[in-house]
Amino acid sequence: QKEVEQNSGPLSVPEGAIASLNCTYSDRGSQSFFWYRQYSGKSPELIMFIYSNGDKEDGRFTAQLNKASQYVSLLIRDSQPSDSATYLCALGAGGYNKLIFGAGTRLAVHP
Amino acid sequence: GAVVSQHPSWVICKSGTSVKIECRSLDFQATTMFWYRQFPKQSLMLMATSNEGSKATYEQGVEKDKFLINHASLTLSTLTVTSAHPEDSSFYICSAPKLDSGANVLTFGAGSRLTVL
Repeated sequence: QKEVEQNSGPLSVPEGAIASLNCTYSDRGSQSFFWYRQYSGKSPELIMFIYSNGDKEDGRFTAQLNKASQYVSLLIRDSQPSDSATYLCALGAGGYNKLIFGAGTRLAVHP
Repeated sequence: GAVVSQHPSWVICKSGTSVKIECRSLDFQATTMFWYRQFPKQSLMLMATSNEGSKATYEQGVEKDKFLINHASLTLSTLTVTSAHPEDSSFYICSAPKLDSGANVLTFGAGSRLTVL
């Protein structure tokens, strides 16, 4: 079982809709969770991180964490074509600043 | 703040040659840097943790004699791919912990795309 699982997609949503990206993980001891966006040929850029159960909002983005069910999700409201990218879920591996990444979900927002 | 500069952004080399990739923290000191590799349409895989002033820590399955890491100063880590072969062609990305941002928050370099002919 992979440590971080994501549906590879593509997830296709119309412009203005809500995009919902999901991620499950296997290590119950994980404490920190991250969402990165990666455009083709570029390095990842941090969207947001979440440490506590519940929701965390930042602009159009909301991260949701449920440690009991071992999943973390990212909602993107009012999706724009510029949001089209691969979204990587990652979790912190211990206290050494290491990140373990999922394979990513490709999001396509069409006009 | 917290900018990581990576160079070169792309490199093409012949099989059997060595290639060096540099990763610099421009406005902060990084005692630790991480090197990732990403093959097309796959996720980032951690190769090694670079530690300033000491030996790098390699992930399982990564050949330390092939991927030489040197972290000689608080702002520079280098990855040298020795005797490169076509299967080493990949996107190599370095990262460093972002200052004052909590555990595991990393700043990534722009990446280096290596093509071995």
